[in-house]
Amino acid sequence: DVKVTQSSRYLVKRTGEKVFLECVQDMDHENMFWYRQDPGLGLRLIYFSYDVKMKEKGDIPEGYSVSREKKERFSLILESASTNQTSMYLCASSRTGEAFFGQGTRLTVV
Amino acid sequence: RKEVEQDPGPFNVPEGATVAFNCTYSNSASQSFFWYRQDCRKEPKLLMSVYSSGNEDGRFTAQLNRASQYISLLIRDSKLSDSATYLCAVKDGNAGNMLTFGGGTRLMVKP
Repeated sequence: DVKVTQSSRYLVKRTGEKVFLECVQDMDHENMFWYRQDPGLGLRLIYFSYDVKMKEKGDIPEGYSVSREKKERFSLILESASTNQTSMYLCASSRTGEAFFGQGTRLTVV
Repeated sequence: RKEVEQDPGPFNVPEGATVAFNCTYSNSASQSFFWYRQDCRKEPKLLMSVYSSGNEDGRFTAQLNRASQYISLLIRDSKLSDSATYLCAVKDGNAGNMLTFGGGTRLMVKP
């Protein structure tokens, strides 16, 4: 079974904090993704990576950065958290077809 | 116009009913198509892939209409446990095998 693991299920952070969301996959997938999901807006792609040290902007990269130093790990960084970044964050990985998701991190910025 | 669009619903159906959802996509170069199921406060999970020739898995049938650029999901003999949000996803072959998701269709199956 493909396993994608996100480091936290729930996080509460203060405005202005630097936030790290970690994601690890165990299936040697080349591609990894970070989405956020908000009511009425669906899943929106923040960043993706198709190889180690490679990253591409998705639809809503502003306020975020990513890091992929190892194939199995893809980190999402909120440089200075803001209340409008309160959301469900979902990591996913894939090889050539369907994507497999982690359990999600519900982030609240207060 | 959104790249991938779905009727958000909710679709309220009785147990045993047949229900169908459509999903339209705007990129005619799209290559692969999928249906995901998402339960409340959980991650999306792959339900089935959608092949050009159609795909059937038990009570679920997925079809692709390239000419009209939509995919469909048919659920027969609905169960209470089918209540969820169904997301379609489209891959257009760009670098990274990126999937674009529709907003989801919510299904509620009532006793």
